[in-house]
Amino acid sequence: GAGVSQTPSNKVTEKGKYVELRCDPISGHTALYWYRQSLGQGPEFLIYFQGTGAADDSGLPNDRFFAVRPEGSVSTLKIQRTERGDSAVYLCASSELAESGTQYFGPGTRLLVL
Amino acid sequence: AQSVTQPDIHITVSEGASLELRCNYSYGATPYLFWYVQSPGQGLQLLLKYFSGDTLVQGIKGFEAEFKRSQSSFNLRKPSVHWSDAAEYFCAVGAYGNKLVFGAGTILRVKS
Repeated sequence: GAGVSQTPSNKVTEKGKYVELRCDPISGHTALYWYRQSLGQGPEFLIYFQGTGAADDSGLPNDRFFAVRPEGSVSTLKIQRTERGDSAVYLCASSELAESGTQYFGPGTRLLVL
Repeated sequence: AQSVTQPDIHITVSEGASLELRCNYSYGATPYLFWYVQSPGQGLQLLLKYFSGDTLVQGIKGFEAEFKRSQSSFNLRKPSVHWSDAAEYFCAVGAYGNKLVFGAGTILRVKS
C-alpha cells in the first residue's frame, strides 16, 4: 500500500516568512511523528501525535513551531517567522501502535530559509 | 536520558567484503532498537528492529544485527557488501510507541 507522503518535497522561503509542511501518514496508523534532520546529523524528534492530540511535544525548539492533526490523519507542521537556522529536512513518520510501534518514514521536506 | 553513539562517521569497504557498523546506546530499560538506511535524497528505510527475544535479528537486504545487553551495543553486520549498499546508516533507540533517538549516522562507501 501507499507509504507516508510529504508535501512539498522542497520549500524555499525568506527569513521571517511563515511555512506549512504537510504529512499524509499510512492509512490506519494512529501515531504520527515529526523529526528534523540537519545536515550531517541524525533525525531529532519534534512532536508525536496519538490520534488528534499531541502526546509529546517536548522536541519543539520554541514557540515558533506548531503542529496540528485535526482529524487524526493528515498533519501539518507550521513554522512562524522562519530563521535561517530552521533550514533542514523535516521528516514525518507514522506507526500502527497495535502492531509493533515501528515507525515508517516519509521522504521528507527539505526547507531552505534564505 | 536515551542516547545513541555511532563511533564511525565514515567507513569504506571493498565490494564483497564484510561489514560491521557499530552502535552503542544508553537507555534505562529494555530498549527497542532499530537500524535505518538513508540513500541520498531519500527517506529512512527500516532495515531491522529488535524488541525482545532472540538477540540476533535478521533484516532486509542481507543485514543482521546482534543485541548485546552487557555491552549496550546493537551492531549491524553484512557478510558481503554490494555497491548498492553505499548509503548512510542510522541506529536508533526508542520505547514502544514513542519517540526515537537517533545516532549521528555512519556513511558507508563501497569501493570496487
